[in-house]
Amino acid sequence: GQQLNQSPQSMFIQEGEDVSMNCTSSSIFNTWLWYKQDPGEGPVLLIALYKAGELTSNGRLTAQFGITRKDSFLNISASIPSDVGIYFCAGAGNFGNEKLTFGTGTRLTIIP
Amino acid sequence: GAVVSQHPSWVICKSGTSVKIECRSLDFQATTMFWYRQFPKQSLMLMATSNEGSKATYEQGVEKDKFLINHASLTLSTLTVTSAHPEDSSFYICSAQEGMVGYTFGSGTRLTVV
Repeated sequence: GQQLNQSPQSMFIQEGEDVSMNCTSSSIFNTWLWYKQDPGEGPVLLIALYKAGELTSNGRLTAQFGITRKDSFLNISASIPSDVGIYFCAGAGNFGNEKLTFGTGTRLTIIP
Repeated sequence: GAVVSQHPSWVICKSGTSVKIECRSLDFQATTMFWYRQFPKQSLMLMATSNEGSKATYEQGVEKDKFLINHASLTLSTLTVTSAHPEDSSFYICSAQEGMVGYTFGSGTRLTVV
């Protein structure tokens, strides 16, 4: 099935550093979602974006819906140990009415 | 907030047997549920979409006779892996959707076939 291209594939950072990851698609999406997945768990929604150009924050997380509707980025400021995990972007045609297409994931590791 | 319960969280079964995984929306009615499969260090791949009271829609390459999905009520969907083989070992995750609630994921089921 289709997957969104997500980069970087993995990140190794020190606690306190800022993080940036992005997601691109060859197709247009009307909704972009960012999830975090901990080992052995299901994904948990972090931020949902519904309009092109929209910039939304959730605590230390900020995400933007690209103007072209084919990309999105997620920033995490001042990383802390609990930020460790895998981050996935996901796109949908219409939120709540269509299946999600997931990105390839970004694995975040914090170096002691 | 919306909660989706998935059971069991892990299961080990012998090759050739069948395994049933349940997905329940605890505090909302899910008009649609999705079943995903995730291999180690990979992303979630959609297997099928199920709507209450109707047949599931399977993604290309997913065997509907092997992965039986039943969505008998607005709060319960089940995935049965029939005649399981070692290559079916994977992490299976369900997601329930209802209107403005959006998509809520279960905690996943790790299936190991020996």
